[in-house]
This record gives sequence, structure tokens and C-alpha cells, in this order.
Amino acid sequence: QSVLTQPPSVSGAPGQRVTISCTGSSSNIGAGYDVHWYQQLPGTAPKLLIYGNINRPSGVPDRFSGSKSGTSASLAITGLQAEDEADYYCQSYDSSLMVFGTGTKVTVL
Amino acid sequence: QVQLHESGPGLVKPSQTLSLTCSIFGGSISSEGYYWSWIRQPPGKGLEYIGYVYYTGATFYNPSLKSRVIISVDTSKNQFSLKLTSVTAADTAVYYCARDVSVGAYSDWFDPWGQGTLVTVSS
Repeated sequence: QSVLTQPPSVSGAPGQRVTISCTGSSSNIGAGYDVHWYQQLPGTAPKLLIYGNINRPSGVPDRFSGSKSGTSASLAITGLQAEDEADYYCQSYDSSLMVFGTGTKVTVL
Repeated sequence: QVQLHESGPGLVKPSQTLSLTCSIFGGSISSEGYYWSWIRQPPGKGLEYIGYVYYTGATFYNPSLKSRVIISVDTSKNQFSLKLTSVTAADTAVYYCARDVSVGAYSDWFDPWGQGTLVTVSS
């Protein structure tokens, strides 16, 4: 069981805004460690979406944004599109071990 | 642009050793600041970090797997490898290799990833 908890699923209509939470504790996110986010399209490898809490790699649309506060982090997708239907994972450190969140499936209605 | 590619047997018998290799294209395994990692994903489940190797041969392993894992590097071939001993059905997963980008203490992310290879443990 991961120490970073995400909602199993979120959904939204095209064009809407959805957010995915990544809830940790004082031994990981709350300790000041950075949070990173990955998108995993069906049948493919994860792809880096956000690094260092808020930064987007080149080529990632600005519809995706990250934030962090206290012991939690969030990924927001604005202007939801059909191609955003995927699994999303957060990642951070916990007591010097890299850990992933439990994962969230985003469904576009 | 760096690309990674995993290779190895797709079927391993219980109690035997799983062996995979990750080949790096478009970049050098000896680049400073990059740690070469293995991550796995059981079918229908989440991601689990296995460990990394640095080009010097330094390693780090997830404590939950440490007794069974060896990650090694071959700089002459621009490859790194994973060995997991005494496998059981619980080790059935898609195994990914990935580059760990480290920019400071406890700020590492994975980019890029290989396409992944499914390893099934079954007799």
C-alpha cells in the first residue's frame, strides 16, 4: 500500500476542469520533498507530465498544472479533452525511498 | 533524444532468476547526474520502484526487494541490467527501465521511460 494516496477515479465532460489530489504525510510531501506527476495512456509506459511540483516538460500542454501545499499536492487538467483519458500517478520521496501514488483513472464523459 | 529499450525473457519459472537488460540510445549511460532505474507494474496495479545504478556502479535498492535484487551497469555497451532472484507469481509485472533525473537532494523524477516488458512468472 502506497504512502501517497490518490482518488481511484475522477471524471469530467470535455472542456471541464478536473483535479487529482495526492495526499501524503510529514515523512514525504510534508517534509518538503518535490512531487512529480506522470500520465499513463492505456497500454503505454508512463510519461512525465509535471516535475518539481509545478514545472511542465517541453511539449506538455499548459492545460496541465501542478501545485503543492502542506502534506498534499494536486494536478489540475483544464479544458479536459478525450485524449486526456488515462491513469495519472504522483511520485515523491518517503524517508529516502522514491514512492508512487496509488494512481487515478481519469475518464472523459 | 534519449530512448530506452528493455529486453529479456517474457516467461520465468518460479524460484528462478528474472534477468532484464535496458539499452540506452541517443545518450551516454556515463552522463553525470543521471541514475538508471527499474520500476515495475503488476497487471492492473500501480507502480513500484525497484532501484537504480549509477554509471560508477553505485546502487540503491527498495528495501522490500533488496535481498533479491541486483542492478548492474555495463558502460562499454551503454546498458544496465536487472536480476531478481527466487521469483514467485507476485513478481509478474511489466518491468520498465527509466532515467532518474536528479537535480538535488530528494528531487528526482523519471524521464524518459522504456516501453516496458511483461514478465510472467509461471511453470
